[in-house]
Amino acid sequence: GAVVSQHPSWVICKSGTSVKIECRSLDFQATTMFWYRQFPKQSLMLMATSNEGSKATYEQGVEKDKFLINHASLTLSTLTVTSAHPEDSSFYICSARTPGQGNYGYTFGSGTRLTVV
Amino acid sequence: GQQLNQSPQSMFIQEGEDVSMNCTSSSIFNTWLWYKQDPGEGPVLLIALYKAGELTSNGRLTAQFGITRKDSFLNISASIPSDVGIYFCARARGQNFVFGPGTRLSVLP
Repeated sequence: GAVVSQHPSWVICKSGTSVKIECRSLDFQATTMFWYRQFPKQSLMLMATSNEGSKATYEQGVEKDKFLINHASLTLSTLTVTSAHPEDSSFYICSARTPGQGNYGYTFGSGTRLTVV
Repeated sequence: GQQLNQSPQSMFIQEGEDVSMNCTSSSIFNTWLWYKQDPGEGPVLLIALYKAGELTSNGRLTAQFGITRKDSFLNISASIPSDVGIYFCARARGQNFVFGPGTRLSVLP
């Protein structure tokens, strides 16, 4: 079946540094990918919609200059957390619509746990 | 109005027991989705419901779309240890989803 791969699965970084998270659709093309954030014991909250070849669309309250999204190919979207702070520590999950699986056939990645120290 | 509420927040059950959880909203929806998230993983779609009153099964899981279109429930029969995880209801919003707060299920052997 369709697979969305995220890398790294976990990362620890120092406060003030930047971290890049990759989201790849392994066996299908994804013109649109979605980035979610999940704080401990909370639900998934959509951060932004990543569009291949164009600017990402950010949800209200998400700083586009802090969470840089690049979707340069049909199989790769990246999320860069710039100048990370401890409050950015969270579980980041991407998803992409899976062709041929109906309106709600979205495949989620396995997530990236970011810890900022 | 667009928030989803789930109950219970968490539950501990014995292996073999049946489980029931529900999701409610003050708004009417056209689609209800149920996802499961294993620890440290992304969510996986369990069941999608498309019309009021619809009852759909997926193995030991059964979900129903409430008649009022403001609620849905998910039942798990004869629970097993691998049922452990967080169960989220969700509604579609354009191309993406709004997730409920989740029900955390623990299965005791």
